[in-house]
This record gives sequence, C-alpha cells and structure tokens, in this order.
Amino acid sequence: DTGVSQDPRHKITKRGQNVTFRCDPISEHNRLYWYRQTLGQGPEFLTYFQNEAQLEKSRLLSDRFSAERPKGSFSTLEIQRTEQGDSAMYLCASSLVGGPSYEQYFGPGTRLTVT
Amino acid sequence: GNSVTQMEGPVTLSEEAFLTINCTYTATGYPSLFWYVQYPGEGLQLLLKATKADDKGSNKGFEATYRKETTSFHLEKGSVQVSDSAVYFCALSANSGGYQKVTFGTGTKLQVIP
Repeated sequence: DTGVSQDPRHKITKRGQNVTFRCDPISEHNRLYWYRQTLGQGPEFLTYFQNEAQLEKSRLLSDRFSAERPKGSFSTLEIQRTEQGDSAMYLCASSLVGGPSYEQYFGPGTRLTVT
Repeated sequence: GNSVTQMEGPVTLSEEAFLTINCTYTATGYPSLFWYVQYPGEGLQLLLKATKADDKGSNKGFEATYRKETTSFHLEKGSVQVSDSAVYFCALSANSGGYQKVTFGTGTKLQVIP
C-alpha cells in the first residue's frame, strides 16, 4: 500500500494559464475526492468520484474547473484561465465503499500559486 | 447543514504539558468523528476516529471520546512532545446523498516548545 500520491507537489503559474493536477488513489479504493484548502482553513469539498462516475460537485467548483477519472483509477483536476484566488492547496483523498468508518486517506497535496 | 467548530489557535505548550483541543459538532443522524493531523508542507493524516457514542479513539498517546450528549469530540494528550507540533483538524463524516461527506473544522495549530 503506497498511499495516495499527487503530482506535482508544487505549481507556480501565471494568471490566465491552465494547470492540471494528477491524483493516484490507493489501488483498491473506488471513491476519490478532491478538496481545496486555503491558508488557515480546513479542506473544503470540491467533487468526488465513485469509480469513473463523477457523482457530486460543490458550488465551489466553477466552470473553469473540471475533473476526470477516466478509467476509475487516477484522476485529474484541471483549472482553466487561473485566477489569483485559485491559489490554494489541492488535496486528493480516496476511500473504499463499505470500508471501516468510510475514512478517507489523503495525499500530500498540490500547492498552487497563481502570480 | 453539518458543521464542526474547533477552538482557535495557535496553542503554545511546553514539552510534557497536557493538551486539550476542543471540538464540537452539529450534524443530523449519527456521524463518525475524526481527528486529522497536518504537518508542515504535508497532507492530512488520520490520527484517530470514533464511530458511535461513547467510543474512545486513541493513537500515539492522543485520545478523544465521542460525546453525543454534548456533541463534542475533544482531543487530549497527557504529555506533548516537540514532534507533536502540527495543525489538528476535527472532522465529521455523515451520509449525504449516498456517500459519506466529510466536513472539517478550521484547524488548531499546536506549537510545542522545548
């Protein structure tokens, strides 16, 4: 069990550019979640997948954000036309349906800085 | 909706002091409760959990008891170490439209000084 991995760990981009993040969940986990965490706050839910289906999206996920999980394994989160307000830590988590307490396992996060 | 309220930090303690971080929650039904820890520059790690009333979660010397009557899940440790310096998040997990939605508190930063 190698845990949840995310790539890249850090991303600095200029306003208006597009960025894409990748998350690899724990291999047998069928649920995958994306969160955003700003400085001094707890993680806020963005979206989640069960297998390849995206089942819920938060109001925080504007039209500039899109997430995919094409084969029910890894997931990508793309932000188009980045804004300075998008600067945050983007966390990915995974869990197993029916797993103990539905606990979610988090990756190390991707820190995005928009200049 | 569901919510979690934590005591504001930062909390600064001397090594070997007793730690309490208060957490209260609002939720419908019977949520599971968690404490996560986040070390600088890292993601969240599950510290401990409790799934029903009166359960006590424990790990690495930390403990928290699920108190339904007071809707609380306070984190305690008898003797903190410098290595415990981190941000601690209280969270609840409750059924929301067929999946377990996790709601986090804002976090409490703990600094332990030698």
